[in-house]
Amino acid sequence: EVQLLESGGGLIQPGGSLRLSCEASGFTFRDYAMTWVRQGPGKGLEWVSTIDGGGGDTFYADSVRGRFTISRDNSQNTVFLQMGSLRSEDTAMYYCVNDYGEYDAFDMWGQGTMVTVAS
Amino acid sequence: EIVLTQSPGTLSLSPGERATLSCKASQSLGNTYLAWYQQKPGQTPRLLIYGASSRATGIPDRFSGSGSGTDFTLTISRLEPEDFAVYYCQHYGSSPLFTFGPGTKVDIK
Repeated sequence: EVQLLESGGGLIQPGGSLRLSCEASGFTFRDYAMTWVRQGPGKGLEWVSTIDGGGGDTFYADSVRGRFTISRDNSQNTVFLQMGSLRSEDTAMYYCVNDYGEYDAFDMWGQGTMVTVAS
Repeated sequence: EIVLTQSPGTLSLSPGERATLSCKASQSLGNTYLAWYQQKPGQTPRLLIYGASSRATGIPDRFSGSGSGTDFTLTISRLEPEDFAVYYCQHYGSSPLFTFGPGTKVDIK
């Protein structure tokens, strides 16, 4: 069974840092790009960042570029999102997602990990 | 930068009625990398349509997608009680790599 399991969320003060992890199982991890999508409370979906299967190409939304870093460890089937200089507007549920079905869309979603930026 | 606009913001309909949701792009989408998702309260989004008009695995045929260029439509032919949810369109492009629309809520009239 294909599964994505996020961890690392929590309450963090503005300006702080946090690292999210997403452990994948049930598929050949290195063959797939991995993506983080977030959703603020009561808000819509926002793409955050994507990393290719080998980890060599990374992509970021303008809202997080320079503050967030995506990386992966294919030996551990895990993708990370290092978040820095956190702001209140970064408060959201962060989902780890991928295009398992090769739809050029996201058919696999983790359950999410909540990040709250507040003092 | 491509921006997706969805309308209406809220669609109030009764079970059995037809729902027509619109997604408009700020510029022509050179490909058909346009997807639709359904999200129910407390749940993760579910992929319904990819490539503008293809149903993802396991999606009932009452859901259909159409469109090209800047105008795309998700149609639910006859609303079932479980279809009342928020629907998002999403584009896979180049800059930004992925873009979501703001969503349309389909609620019970």
